Amino acid sequence: NAGVTQTPKFQVLKTGQSMTLQCAQDMNHEYMSWYRQDPGMGLRLIHYSVGAGITDQGEVPNGYNVSRSTTEDFPLRLLSAAPSQTSVYFCASKRGGQETQYFGPGTRLLVL
Amino acid sequence: DAKTTQPPSMDCAEGRAANLPCNHSTISGNEYVYWYRQIHSQGPQYIIHGLKNNETNEMASLIITEDRKSSTLILPHATLRDTAVYYCIVRPRNNAGNMLTFGGGTRLMVKP
Repeated sequence: NAGVTQTPKFQVLKTGQSMTLQCAQDMNHEYMSWYRQDPGMGLRLIHYSVGAGITDQGEVPNGYNVSRSTTEDFPLRLLSAAPSQTSVYFCASKRGGQETQYFGPGTRLLVL
Repeated sequence: DAKTTQPPSMDCAEGRAANLPCNHSTISGNEYVYWYRQIHSQGPQYIIHGLKNNETNEMASLIITEDRKSSTLILPHATLRDTAVYYCIVRPRNNAGNMLTFGGGTRLMVKP
């Protein structure tokens, strides 16, 4: 299994641009989530999904959209990038009934 | 979710046991204690979790006090590769989507 994969690894955007961060998992996990991590800080939950077609907001959802059309994929969309969204973004997945969350390698985003 | 308090940093000599404390004085009866770690620039990695009994796995041991207001993660023989930020997280086992709330963590530096 490839586990949790994220693309791209790095991205530079200009203020106002939009983009989609991709996340995929091949472990057939029901739960998927997106976190952001600012320098020197812990991770904060943006959005999560408990299954295909079901999404919900986390702690810091403003400025981001998600959808879950398949079990494998959980893309995160930035509608109009702002410098405050400069961060490292982590995707995670988990099987229902189990405790271990598996994290992807992260996407580093710089908004100028 | 209950709040946790961890020392911001600790040092440990290679080959010695690393004991990482966590205070969670407001923990409620249905909340578990989880430990994750994040090695530089990587996604967090699950270590261990427990409710009230001490737990051990191939990575570490978790000691929870009888009143459950604090816990200690023990890495029995720390190696240089254990240098990371260690997060103590308290939450109900079946909260919304089983998502995690990360605090600041403890930065463990294992020295030769």
